[in-house]
Amino acid sequence: NAGVMQNPRHLVRRRGQEARLRCSPMKGHSHVYWYRQLPEEGLKFMVYLQKENIIDESGMPKERFSAEFPKEGPSILRIQQVVRGDSAAYFCASSPGQDRNGYTFGSGTRLTVV
Amino acid sequence: EDKVVQSPLSLVVHEGDTVTLNCSYEVTNFRSLLWYKQEKKAPTFLFMLTSSGIEKKSGRLSSILDKKELFSILNITATQTGDSAVYLCAVDSNYQLIWGAGTKLIIKP
Repeated sequence: NAGVMQNPRHLVRRRGQEARLRCSPMKGHSHVYWYRQLPEEGLKFMVYLQKENIIDESGMPKERFSAEFPKEGPSILRIQQVVRGDSAAYFCASSPGQDRNGYTFGSGTRLTVV
Repeated sequence: EDKVVQSPLSLVVHEGDTVTLNCSYEVTNFRSLLWYKQEKKAPTFLFMLTSSGIEKKSGRLSSILDKKELFSILNITATQTGDSAVYLCAVDSNYQLIWGAGTKLIIKP
């Protein structure tokens, strides 16, 4: 039973390009959470999704960032027109329900904007 | 504003020492407190605490929660170099995790 799969592991983008980060939750998990970890800081909540629904996006920057979790396929975190300040590790976690039993993190995607 | 504060920010000890990591919190709707160990990969789950005064143990690690004073401690006894990591504390407030900045623990041989 594979864990939460994130890809790519490392992503390098030039300023102004788009970054797409993918997260495949654990089998049987329908809740996905995205976090951003900046250097020397804790993980910051970005968005919480269920299948085809955004439940809470209060941690998402208002511009350039979007997330989806379609009926089929992985959850996608999309960053348009990346800037240097977007460089960070982005973690995804999944759980089978809201109560967080079985809450599991992926290994993360490290985004570097050059 | 919800917040989680961990202390110390970093700690260097020798192998065999016992360490205590602290996590205090102020949140509007406490559901649980979680401890994670982060090495180079994603944080790995250590403990989830929901009730005051009940110690959770896993090998040399143990943790306890005080909901009156709003803090938790993570103890590691007989530390080993493999314990070197960042230890993260997070509080589940509704369906958001409020994270502390972590304690960077270095164990010297």
